[in-house]
Amino acid sequence: RKEVEQDPGPFNVPEGATVAFNCTYSNSASQSFFWYRQDCRKEPKLLMSVYSSGNEDGRFTAQLNRASQYISLLIRDSKLSDSATYLCVVNNAGNNRKLIWGLGTSLAVNP
Amino acid sequence: DVKVTQSSRYLVKRTGEKVFLECVQDMDHENMFWYRQDPGLGLRLIYFSYDVKMKEKGDIPEGYSVSREKKERFSLILESASTNQTSMYLCASSLPRTGGSGNTIYFGEGSWLTVV
Repeated sequence: RKEVEQDPGPFNVPEGATVAFNCTYSNSASQSFFWYRQDCRKEPKLLMSVYSSGNEDGRFTAQLNRASQYISLLIRDSKLSDSATYLCVVNNAGNNRKLIWGLGTSLAVNP
Repeated sequence: DVKVTQSSRYLVKRTGEKVFLECVQDMDHENMFWYRQDPGLGLRLIYFSYDVKMKEKGDIPEGYSVSREKKERFSLILESASTNQTSMYLCASSLPRTGGSGNTIYFGEGSWLTVV
């Protein structure tokens, strides 16, 4: 089993739709969790950290379920500009030495 | 804004050549990283450095070496380039501490290397 698994997609949704991605991780001792966004042929950029209590940033909501070992990302009112690959990242150490990157979920928002 | 600069964006090298990829960050970050990204394989860590002259092997260090003589600069060296090293190379930096912005990884724009 991979340490971090994501559905590669692609997810094709119309503008205005709500879409959700899940990411499962295998190490129950994982310490912190993140979603990064990567546009085609560009570098990844932090979208948001994922906290145990869940967190929201505008149209984006991230949640962590430690019991089931998954994190989720919900995007409401999708925009064309949300089209990208979303990378799930899990940190298994106290610093950033042991980051485990998912392969990403591809999202295409269509007009 | 944090800036991670990779000086070479697109390179074409011949098999057997020595290749240098340079990376500079301007935020006084202790941690620096070199990743490569390939379709279907995702981001894989080549080397990590947590201080000047300090380095740790990542998941795929074979065929690569690194140099960190100054805090802001982290170089990746391909001693003898091979075709299987054709890839996008991403340099990154971060603070060393956990929590808050300490965990954010800032990436350069990437270096696209083709070895022929």
